[in-house]
Amino acid sequence: GAVVSQHPSWVICKSGTSVKIECRSLDFQATTMFWYRQFPKQSLMLMATSNEGSKATYEQGVEKDKFLINHASLTLSTLTVTSAHPEDSSFYICSASNSGIDEQYFGPGTRLTVT
Amino acid sequence: AQSVTQLDSQVPVFEEAPVELRCNYSSSVSVYLFWYVQYPNQGLQLLLKYLSGSTLVKGINGFEAEFNKSQTSFHLRKPSVHISDTAEYFCAVSRPQGAQKLVFGQGTRLTINP
Repeated sequence: GAVVSQHPSWVICKSGTSVKIECRSLDFQATTMFWYRQFPKQSLMLMATSNEGSKATYEQGVEKDKFLINHASLTLSTLTVTSAHPEDSSFYICSASNSGIDEQYFGPGTRLTVT
Repeated sequence: AQSVTQLDSQVPVFEEAPVELRCNYSSSVSVYLFWYVQYPNQGLQLLLKYLSGSTLVKGINGFEAEFNKSQTSFHLRKPSVHISDTAEYFCAVSRPQGAQKLVFGQGTRLTINP
């Protein structure tokens, strides 16, 4: 299957600072990327869907001004957690796909800890 | 809208025994169905998927699943499990097109005991 990378794999930041997470599709063009968050021992919850070159579509209850998503190229999407707080601590996972693929390819995830 | 219910949050099984992880879905339209496995602190790996055609789908690591439209189920099975199968398993559905968002079940923790 195709390869999707995430960077960083883990990050610790102080409350009030911003953190950027990168998601890259390494060997295919990802017209669509998805961002999920996963709390301990829970399932994945979709945060937003981003299509290359357009604004992301956020799921209900997700603050678009807090979780900024940019999908400026066919191989890169970024998630910026602005003014992070301890309740934002979570495992963030991205996935990538395009209209010609019947599945999503997942990145390895980023563990965010806000102190 | 679609929804997924995984009926068992935890399934303990002895090594070399068979296992079935249950998944039921709800949707007003046809769907694609997926099973993923997640090892600790890692992303998701696709085990198998049902898009159309044969209702019995074979995947990696000896897993298979059967799509049952009348019962809206997609149960995952393996005839003989190994210690390395210990992980979290997620069932998911999407609309039957490319690049569609996934709706996940709550997950099933499979624990293999020696």
